[in-house]
Amino acid sequence: EVQLVESGGGLVQPGRSLKLSCAASGFTFSNYGMHWIRQAPTKGLEWVASISPSGGSTYYRDSVKGRFTISRDNAKSTLYLQMDSLRSEDTATYYCATPSFDYWGQGVMVTVSS
Amino acid sequence: DVVLTQTPSILSATIGQSVSISCRSSQSLLDSDGNTYLYWFLQRPGQSPQRLIYLVSNLGSGVPNRFSGSGSGTDFTLKISGVEAEDLGVYYCMQATHAPWTFGGGTKLELK
Repeated sequence: EVQLVESGGGLVQPGRSLKLSCAASGFTFSNYGMHWIRQAPTKGLEWVASISPSGGSTYYRDSVKGRFTISRDNAKSTLYLQMDSLRSEDTATYYCATPSFDYWGQGVMVTVSS
Repeated sequence: DVVLTQTPSILSATIGQSVSISCRSSQSLLDSDGNTYLYWFLQRPGQSPQRLIYLVSNLGSGVPNRFSGSGSGTDFTLKISGVEAEDLGVYYCMQATHAPWTFGGGTKLELK
C-alpha cells in the first residue's frame, strides 16, 4: 500500500526557515518524480515544486523560486522541501504527491506569522 | 500561466441526481506528445485531494464508474451519474501540460 507521510510543519516567523519531509513507502520511490502542492486556509490548490526521480531536475513556481528547494534522498525514500525567507503568503497546508497525482499525503500545516 | 475556469462554483444536488462540472482552459491542453494532461480531483471536508480522472477521461483506481470525464483542447467536463452522499466536497480540475501546473478554482458540491 502506497503511503506518503509529511512532517516538519509548524509556526514560524516571517523571514525564517522550515524544512518539510515526506516519507514514502509501498512503491519504488527512486523510480518516480514527486510533487509538493499547497493549499492556503479556505483556498484552492497550488502547485509548488516538482523533482525528477534522480533529483537532477527540479521545477518551481515563480513565487517560491530562490526561496524554496525541493530535494530527495532515495536511500531513505524521503522527499524534502526546504523553505527559506518565509512570508505570510506561504501559510498553507503542504501536500506531497506522486507523479500522476494518484497518491497524496495527509498534509502538513505551515503557519508564517509573527 | 494557464487559467482554468470552473463552473459552477457551487452545485446543489439531490441524491441520485446527475450533475456536470465544466473546466475551461485559457489555452489548449493538448501536449506535443499527443496527451492531454487534464485531471479531476475531489477533496472531501478535512481530507487530502483524491484523484478521480486522469488524461481527460481515464478513471482512477478504485474510483466508482458513476464518474466520467470528457473533453478536448480547452473544454472539459466531469459528470457524476447519480450523486451519492460520499461525493460531497470540492472538485478541482488541474492541468499538467504547461508549466506551471495550475488548478481550477474549485466547485463545491452540496446537498440541496
